[in-house]
Amino acid sequence: GDSVTQMEGPVTLSEEACLTINCTYTATGYPSLFWYVQYPGEGLQLLLKATKADDKGSNKGFEATYRKETTSFHLEKGSVQVSDSAVYFCALSDRGSSNTGKLIFGQGTTLQVKP
Amino acid sequence: DAGVIQSPRHEVTEMGQEVTLRCKPISGHNSLFWYRQTMMRGLELLIYFNNNVPIDDSGMPEDRFSAKMPNASFSTLKIQPSEPRDSAVYFCASSYLIGGGTDTQYFGPGTRLTVL
Repeated sequence: GDSVTQMEGPVTLSEEACLTINCTYTATGYPSLFWYVQYPGEGLQLLLKATKADDKGSNKGFEATYRKETTSFHLEKGSVQVSDSAVYFCALSDRGSSNTGKLIFGQGTTLQVKP
Repeated sequence: DAGVIQSPRHEVTEMGQEVTLRCKPISGHNSLFWYRQTMMRGLELLIYFNNNVPIDDSGMPEDRFSAKMPNASFSTLKIQPSEPRDSAVYFCASSYLIGGGTDTQYFGPGTRLTVL
C-alpha cells in the first residue's frame, strides 16, 4: 500500500542554518503531497502542498518540490529560526478507487533550533 | 472561520469510566477524521467519515472505541470502558473532498486524555 518515509529526528540546528528534511513516498497513481507542522501543544497545520509532479510548494520560507522520478518531497529552508522548532510531517493523499480524502502521514521529524 | 472545534481540551478520568470526545468540523466540510497521537505510536488514523457516513474504521483499536457523526456539524468519539493505555492526544480534522481528489485537512487543537 501507499506509504511515506521521513528522515529520523531529532534534527538540531543553530539559528540561520540551512534545513533539509527528507521525505520519500510509495504510491500508486498520482497523489498530492503535503507538509504539515505541529508546534508544541497544538494540532497539525498545513505548511505547504503540491498536487502534481514538478510543482513547488512554498510558505513561510519553506519549500518542497514534487519529484516523481525520485518519489521525493524534501522540505527545505535556507535560514531557520528558533520559532521553527516543531515537528514536521510529510503526507500524501490516498487517491485510491474510493477517493475518500484520507491522508497517509510519515512518522514526523522533530526540529530543534538553538539560538 | 472558527476552525475545527474540539471539546474538552483536557480530560482526566479513572480506568473503567466512559469518555466522550466531541468535534465540530469546519462548516461546509464533508469529510471528518479522528486521529490519536502518542509518543510510542505516533499519529494514527482511527476512523473517518464522508458525508456523515463512516468509511473506514479499521484503525479503531478495539470494540471499546466507537464514533458517530449524527449530522454534518458534529461528531463524537467514545471510549467505554477507558483504560490507562488509551491516554493520548486525540485530534479531529475535517476537509472538503472535491470529486477526483483529496483536499487539505484542517486539524483541531486536540483533546489530551489521561486515564488513571
